[in-house]
Order: sequence, then structure tokens, then C-alpha cells
Amino acid sequence: DGGITQSPKYLFRKEGQNVTLSCEQNLNHDAMYWYRQDPGQGLRLIYYSQIVNDFQKGDIAEGYSVSREKKESFPLTVTSAQKNPTAFYLCASSISGYYNEQFFGPGTRLTVL
Amino acid sequence: EDQVTQSPEALRLQEGESSSLNCSYTVSGLRGLFWYRQDPGKGPEFLFTLYSAGEEKEKERLKATLTKKESFLHITAPKPEDSATYLCAVETSGSRLTFGEGTQLTVNP
Repeated sequence: DGGITQSPKYLFRKEGQNVTLSCEQNLNHDAMYWYRQDPGQGLRLIYYSQIVNDFQKGDIAEGYSVSREKKESFPLTVTSAQKNPTAFYLCASSISGYYNEQFFGPGTRLTVL
Repeated sequence: EDQVTQSPEALRLQEGESSSLNCSYTVSGLRGLFWYRQDPGKGPEFLFTLYSAGEEKEKERLKATLTKKESFLHITAPKPEDSATYLCAVETSGSRLTFGEGTQLTVNP
């Protein structure tokens, strides 16, 4: 089955530690996205990539980093510079940046202790 | 700045009681409007894309419509399994989506 996988589902981190969230898709989509969702709020764009080896900052990129070395993978690193990292993180992909029907993974809930 | 506002924030219906959710938007150039359904603790599930004013799309008990300033998601004779948060998003230039905060729908049996 084609789809988007995110791992882990739950992640706990101590303050001051970097952590990497995984996102993999087998839909052969060119574009991939990372969003953050806080309780009662809409999704906010962190980073997006329309093609391998290229990515752009979204609205809230500070304290986060990404890489796009392979078409199917778009990992997100939450660094210690992110002041309030506890949130629900969602990865999405679309056929291309032009046809923007985005399909989402199941999410990773990150809690900083 | 692109803005998307959804109303109401929360809606409680009795099973079978039809209603509508609203998504109003202010954008410089709309390329598409998207509706998603999100269950608690899960990723959003794609429902519809609308591209131009006057367009309508249907799926089971859901019907989405679009005008130049807003979109409606009509729910006809809802069932408890329709309970979820419904998210609206708009695409403008730059291939990015701007999301509203969602409407939390509860359908009581």
C-alpha cells in the first residue's frame, strides 16, 4: 500500500537535546512538507521541499532543520534552539508543488521533559 | 497576508440534524481551497479540492461549495462517525497551504 509513514508515534526528549523525526513516503511524490500543530490551532508550516536536494523555510523554521537527500525521505530535526518544541508534528506530501493536494502521515507527538 | 477563518469553532449536532461549516478567506490569488477531516491524534485526511467559484463536490453526506470569499462544508443527516475536526486550507502562490484553525464537530446519537 502506498502512503506516508512517520516514526516514532510518540517521542520524549530532555531539554537541550536534538531529536530527529522520520518521514518516508512511497507515493513517488516530488513535494514534501513538515507542519506543527498545537492544541486548538491550525497547522503551521515549518519547512517544505519541492524537489530532492532543495528545501525552503516555512512560517516557523527557527529551531528546526531538514534535509532532502532522497525523494522518499524528508527528516526533521528539532534542535535545542527551538524554545517550545512540545507539539504534534505532521509530515505531508503532494505529487508536485503545483498540484498541491497534500496527503498526511499519522504524526509524531513530541514531548519535552 | 493570507488569512483563513473557520466558523464556528465547535458545533454540536444531533444525529440527522443537517448543518454547514464555514471557511472564509482573504488571499491575494486563490489557486485552490482544500477541506480535510482530522480525528483526534491522527493526521488530516483529504476530502475535497475546489478551484473556482461556483464549484461543488460531494462525498457521502458531505458537500463542499466555493464562492469568491468563502467555502461551505454542508453535512446532510450526520451520523456519530462524522464527529471530527474539519480543516480548511487555501493555496496561493508559492505552492504553500495556509490552514484555518478548524471546526470541531460532535454528532450525538
